[in-house]
Amino acid sequence: DADVTQTPRNRITKTGKRIMLECSQTKGHDRMYWYRQDPGLGLRLIYYSFDVKDINKGEISDGYSVSRQAQAKFSLSLESAIPNQTALYFCATSDLTGTDTQYFGPGTRLTVL
Amino acid sequence: QKEVEQDPGPLSVPEGAIVSLNCTYSNSAFQYFMWYRQYSRKGPELLMYTYSSGNKEDGRFTAQVDKSSKYISLFIRDSQPSDSATYLCAMRSTGGGNKLTFGTGTQLKVEL
Repeated sequence: DADVTQTPRNRITKTGKRIMLECSQTKGHDRMYWYRQDPGLGLRLIYYSFDVKDINKGEISDGYSVSRQAQAKFSLSLESAIPNQTALYFCATSDLTGTDTQYFGPGTRLTVL
Repeated sequence: QKEVEQDPGPLSVPEGAIVSLNCTYSNSAFQYFMWYRQYSRKGPELLMYTYSSGNKEDGRFTAQVDKSSKYISLFIRDSQPSDSATYLCAMRSTGGGNKLTFGTGTQLKVEL
């Protein structure tokens, strides 16, 4: 089984709809991250959480919110989706030990019409 | 100007070639440098991790960091079709949380 899972893998929605993307991990890591990937812009950090009670804004948090329900679960919400939020979304995890390497999930492809 | 610049490619090479992938950066506080490989429809996976300046070798892959020039490289020897992917450089400073700054990625195709 994959260590970092994301659901759904693909989603098409309409402008104005509320969308939730979910991330679960079995790696036992405290740190979790949400990124979006756009052609020509690379990966950009949306939100990150260093433990259940810690939530931090990243580079591009406007229009997004997150919830850290447990150590293993970190959800990203789009309260009112807009077309320029069409992108590939990745969840990642890391821990404090060693190199603090980030491990990525398989991604969610979101299309907002 | 972006903090990290990376040529997007695409780069097409014959099997067996030596591949050189590069990134430049502007933030002198960056101390940790990474290369991620991303196959189509997959998440990025860590390939190489280097702290500060110097070289690191792992099999067919060599990562180089030149902090004086703010330039990092990834060399792939004896390239294989299975190396066809997008390669992303990433870097971070000490402290400030584990926030990575990524390059936009270079698309590599190794042809038979």
